Amino acid sequence: DVKVTQSSRYLVKRTGEKVFLECVQDMDHENMFWYRQDPGLGLRLIYFSYDVKMKEKGDIPEGYSVSREKKERFSLILESASTNQTSMYLCASSPRAPHTGELFFGEGSRLTVL
Amino acid sequence: AQSVTQPDIHITVSEGASLELRCNYSYGATPYLFWYVQSPGQGLQLLLKYFSGDTLVQGIKGFEAEFKRSQSSFNLRKPSVHWSDAAEYFCAVYSGAGSYQLTFGKGTKLSVIP
Repeated sequence: DVKVTQSSRYLVKRTGEKVFLECVQDMDHENMFWYRQDPGLGLRLIYFSYDVKMKEKGDIPEGYSVSREKKERFSLILESASTNQTSMYLCASSPRAPHTGELFFGEGSRLTVL
Repeated sequence: AQSVTQPDIHITVSEGASLELRCNYSYGATPYLFWYVQSPGQGLQLLLKYFSGDTLVQGIKGFEAEFKRSQSSFNLRKPSVHWSDAAEYFCAVYSGAGSYQLTFGKGTKLSVIP
Protein backbone atom coordinates (compact mmCIF):
# COMPACT_ATOMS: atom_id res chain seq x y z
CA ASP A 1 0.00 0.00 0.00
CA VAL A 2 1.31 3.44 -0.89
CA LYS A 3 2.29 5.60 1.97
CA VAL A 4 3.24 9.10 3.05
CA THR A 5 4.65 9.11 6.55
CA GLN A 6 4.99 12.11 8.79
CA SER A 7 7.37 11.26 11.57
CA SER A 8 5.77 13.31 14.34
CA ARG A 9 2.01 13.27 14.88
CA TYR A 10 2.06 15.69 17.79
CA LEU A 11 4.70 18.23 18.80
CA VAL A 12 4.82 20.88 21.49
CA LYS A 13 7.52 23.53 21.11
CA ARG A 14 8.38 26.84 22.71
CA THR A 15 8.48 30.21 20.98
CA GLY A 16 11.81 30.75 19.27
CA GLU A 17 12.69 27.08 18.95
CA LYS A 18 13.76 25.61 15.62
CA VAL A 19 11.29 22.96 14.47
CA PHE A 20 11.73 20.21 11.88
CA LEU A 21 8.77 18.37 10.40
CA GLU A 22 9.76 15.34 8.39
CA CYS A 23 7.87 13.61 5.61
CA VAL A 24 8.79 10.45 3.73
CA GLN A 25 6.98 8.82 0.81
CA ASP A 26 7.52 5.38 -0.64
CA MET A 27 5.82 5.89 -4.00
CA ASP A 28 8.80 7.29 -5.90
CA HIS A 29 6.86 10.50 -6.50
CA GLU A 30 8.66 13.53 -7.89
CA ASN A 31 6.37 16.14 -6.32
CA MET A 32 6.02 16.78 -2.62
CA PHE A 33 4.01 19.43 -0.80
CA TRP A 34 3.58 20.98 2.63
CA TYR A 35 0.18 22.38 3.56
CA ARG A 36 -1.02 24.12 6.67
CA GLN A 37 -4.58 23.54 7.85
CA ASP A 38 -6.48 25.89 10.15
CA PRO A 39 -10.18 25.91 11.09
CA GLY A 40 -12.20 28.03 8.68
CA LEU A 41 -9.22 28.60 6.39
CA GLY A 42 -8.96 25.16 4.82
CA LEU A 43 -5.64 23.99 3.40
CA ARG A 44 -3.02 26.52 2.40
CA LEU A 45 0.09 25.60 0.47
CA ILE A 46 3.35 26.55 2.17
CA TYR A 47 5.97 25.10 -0.19
CA PHE A 48 6.26 22.40 -2.78
CA SER A 49 9.10 20.61 -4.49
CA TYR A 50 9.05 19.06 -7.96
CA ASP A 51 12.48 17.47 -7.77
CA VAL A 52 15.42 16.90 -5.47
CA LYS A 53 16.89 20.21 -4.29
CA MET A 54 14.12 22.12 -6.09
CA LYS A 55 11.49 24.12 -4.26
CA GLU A 56 8.76 26.62 -5.00
CA LYS A 57 6.93 28.95 -2.65
CA GLY A 58 3.28 28.38 -2.13
CA ASP A 59 0.71 30.82 -0.83
CA ILE A 60 2.09 31.29 2.71
CA PRO A 61 5.87 30.66 2.77
CA GLU A 62 6.74 33.37 5.30
CA GLY A 63 8.36 31.95 8.43
CA TYR A 64 9.04 28.58 6.81
CA SER A 65 11.75 26.92 4.78
CA VAL A 66 12.06 23.46 3.25
CA SER A 67 14.69 20.92 2.34
CA ARG A 68 14.60 18.16 -0.28
CA GLU A 69 17.94 16.35 -0.30
CA LYS A 70 16.51 12.98 -1.28
CA LYS A 71 13.59 12.15 -3.54
CA GLU A 72 11.61 10.40 -0.85
CA ARG A 73 12.04 12.99 1.91
CA PHE A 74 10.72 16.54 2.25
CA SER A 75 11.32 18.52 5.41
CA LEU A 76 9.56 21.62 6.64
CA ILE A 77 11.59 23.91 8.88
CA LEU A 78 10.40 26.62 11.22
CA GLU A 79 13.56 28.61 11.96
CA SER A 80 12.08 30.36 14.97
CA ALA A 81 8.67 29.06 15.94
CA SER A 82 5.97 31.52 16.87
CA THR A 83 2.56 31.00 18.46
CA ASN A 84 0.80 31.85 15.21
CA GLN A 85 2.41 28.79 13.67
CA THR A 86 0.37 26.53 15.92
CA SER A 87 -1.49 24.45 13.37
CA MET A 88 -1.97 21.11 11.64
CA TYR A 89 0.69 20.48 8.98
CA LEU A 90 -0.03 18.07 6.15
CA CYS A 91 2.51 16.59 3.78
CA ALA A 92 1.47 15.23 0.39
CA SER A 93 3.06 13.79 -2.71
CA SER A 94 2.14 13.24 -6.36
CA PRO A 95 3.76 11.77 -9.44
CA ARG A 96 5.11 14.05 -12.14
CA ALA A 97 3.48 12.02 -14.86
CA PRO A 98 0.74 11.54 -15.36
CA HIS A 99 0.08 14.68 -13.40
CA THR A 100 -3.60 14.96 -12.61
CA GLY A 101 -3.40 16.99 -9.44
CA GLU A 102 -4.25 14.00 -7.26
CA LEU A 103 -2.39 14.18 -3.98
CA PHE A 104 -1.52 11.45 -1.51
CA PHE A 105 -1.50 12.74 2.05
CA GLY A 106 0.21 11.80 5.28
CA GLU A 107 -1.68 11.69 8.55
CA GLY A 108 -0.62 15.15 9.62
CA SER A 109 1.55 16.70 12.30
CA ARG A 110 -0.18 18.81 14.90
CA LEU A 111 2.19 21.48 16.18
CA THR A 112 1.55 23.57 19.28
CA VAL A 113 3.86 26.50 19.95
CA LEU A 114 3.73 27.83 23.50
CA ALA B 1 -7.19 32.00 -11.03
CA GLN B 2 -9.19 28.95 -10.15
CA SER B 3 -11.22 28.84 -6.95
CA VAL B 4 -13.46 26.42 -5.10
CA THR B 5 -16.49 27.28 -2.99
CA GLN B 6 -18.12 24.98 -0.49
CA PRO B 7 -21.13 27.01 0.66
CA ASP B 8 -21.93 24.91 3.72
CA ILE B 9 -19.49 25.12 6.61
CA HIS B 10 -21.34 22.60 8.77
CA ILE B 11 -24.12 20.10 7.99
CA THR B 12 -25.93 17.80 10.39
CA VAL B 13 -27.88 14.80 9.17
CA SER B 14 -29.53 11.83 10.82
CA GLU B 15 -28.07 8.39 10.33
CA GLY B 16 -29.76 6.73 7.37
CA ALA B 17 -30.70 10.02 5.73
CA SER B 18 -29.39 11.07 2.35
CA LEU B 19 -26.57 13.56 1.98
CA GLU B 20 -25.52 16.14 -0.57
CA LEU B 21 -22.48 18.35 -0.11
CA ARG B 22 -22.14 21.24 -2.49
CA CYS B 23 -19.08 22.34 -4.40
CA ASN B 24 -18.75 25.08 -7.02
CA TYR B 25 -15.58 25.88 -8.88
CA SER B 26 -14.37 28.74 -10.95
CA TYR B 27 -12.24 27.84 -13.95
CA GLY B 28 -12.56 28.46 -17.68
CA ALA B 29 -12.02 24.96 -19.00
CA THR B 30 -12.94 21.58 -17.60
CA PRO B 31 -10.77 20.98 -14.60
CA TYR B 32 -9.86 17.82 -12.79
CA LEU B 33 -12.09 17.57 -9.71
CA PHE B 34 -11.67 15.78 -6.41
CA TRP B 35 -13.41 15.09 -3.14
CA TYR B 36 -11.31 14.27 -0.09
CA VAL B 37 -12.45 13.24 3.39
CA GLN B 38 -10.65 13.93 6.65
CA SER B 39 -11.54 12.09 9.85
CA PRO B 40 -10.69 13.91 13.09
CA GLY B 41 -6.95 14.14 13.66
CA GLN B 42 -6.14 12.39 10.40
CA GLY B 43 -4.83 13.27 6.96
CA LEU B 44 -6.93 13.54 3.83
CA GLN B 45 -8.18 10.47 1.98
CA LEU B 46 -9.34 10.57 -1.62
CA LEU B 47 -13.04 9.74 -1.98
CA LEU B 48 -13.38 10.15 -5.73
CA LYS B 49 -12.15 12.08 -8.73
CA TYR B 50 -13.38 13.30 -12.10
CA PHE B 51 -11.09 13.73 -15.07
CA SER B 52 -13.33 13.23 -18.09
CA GLY B 53 -16.06 11.00 -19.49
CA ASP B 54 -19.12 9.96 -17.52
CA THR B 55 -20.18 12.91 -15.39
CA LEU B 56 -21.38 10.68 -12.55
CA VAL B 57 -18.44 9.18 -10.72
CA GLN B 58 -18.44 6.55 -8.03
CA GLY B 59 -16.07 6.60 -5.11
CA ILE B 60 -15.23 4.70 -1.99
CA LYS B 61 -17.54 4.24 1.00
CA GLY B 62 -20.67 4.47 -1.17
CA PHE B 63 -20.14 8.08 -2.23
CA GLU B 64 -20.79 9.48 -5.68
CA ALA B 65 -20.45 12.91 -7.29
CA GLU B 66 -21.87 14.50 -10.38
CA PHE B 67 -20.04 16.98 -12.57
CA LYS B 68 -22.34 19.62 -14.05
CA ARG B 69 -20.50 21.88 -16.44
CA SER B 70 -23.40 24.30 -16.87
CA GLN B 71 -23.51 24.93 -13.13
CA SER B 72 -19.75 24.66 -12.50
CA SER B 73 -20.60 22.20 -9.76
CA PHE B 74 -19.32 18.90 -8.47
CA ASN B 75 -21.66 17.91 -5.65
CA LEU B 76 -21.02 14.90 -3.45
CA ARG B 77 -23.87 12.55 -2.56
CA LYS B 78 -24.58 9.50 -0.49
CA PRO B 79 -28.01 7.83 -0.33
CA SER B 80 -27.78 6.69 3.29
CA VAL B 81 -25.34 8.18 5.78
CA HIS B 82 -23.61 6.09 8.43
CA TRP B 83 -22.33 7.40 11.75
CA SER B 84 -18.78 6.70 10.57
CA ASP B 85 -19.22 9.26 7.78
CA ALA B 86 -18.90 12.08 10.32
CA ALA B 87 -15.82 13.94 9.11
CA GLU B 88 -14.75 17.00 7.17
CA TYR B 89 -15.07 16.95 3.39
CA PHE B 90 -12.97 18.94 0.98
CA CYS B 91 -13.62 19.64 -2.67
CA ALA B 92 -10.57 20.42 -4.81
CA VAL B 93 -9.82 21.46 -8.38
CA TYR B 94 -6.73 21.12 -10.55
CA SER B 95 -6.42 23.20 -13.68
CA GLY B 96 -3.54 21.30 -15.22
CA ALA B 97 -2.29 24.55 -16.73
CA GLY B 98 1.40 24.04 -16.02
CA SER B 99 0.88 24.24 -12.28
CA TYR B 100 1.28 21.53 -9.72
CA GLN B 101 -1.12 23.12 -7.30
CA LEU B 102 -4.41 21.69 -6.19
CA THR B 103 -6.88 24.34 -5.02
CA PHE B 104 -9.06 23.33 -2.09
CA GLY B 105 -12.37 24.58 -0.79
CA LYS B 106 -12.56 25.48 2.88
CA GLY B 107 -14.34 22.27 3.75
CA THR B 108 -17.73 21.12 5.02
CA LYS B 109 -17.94 19.48 8.41
CA LEU B 110 -20.49 16.68 8.57
CA SER B 111 -22.09 15.66 11.84
CA VAL B 112 -24.27 12.55 12.02
CA ILE B 113 -27.05 12.18 14.59
CA PRO B 114 -27.68 8.58 15.68
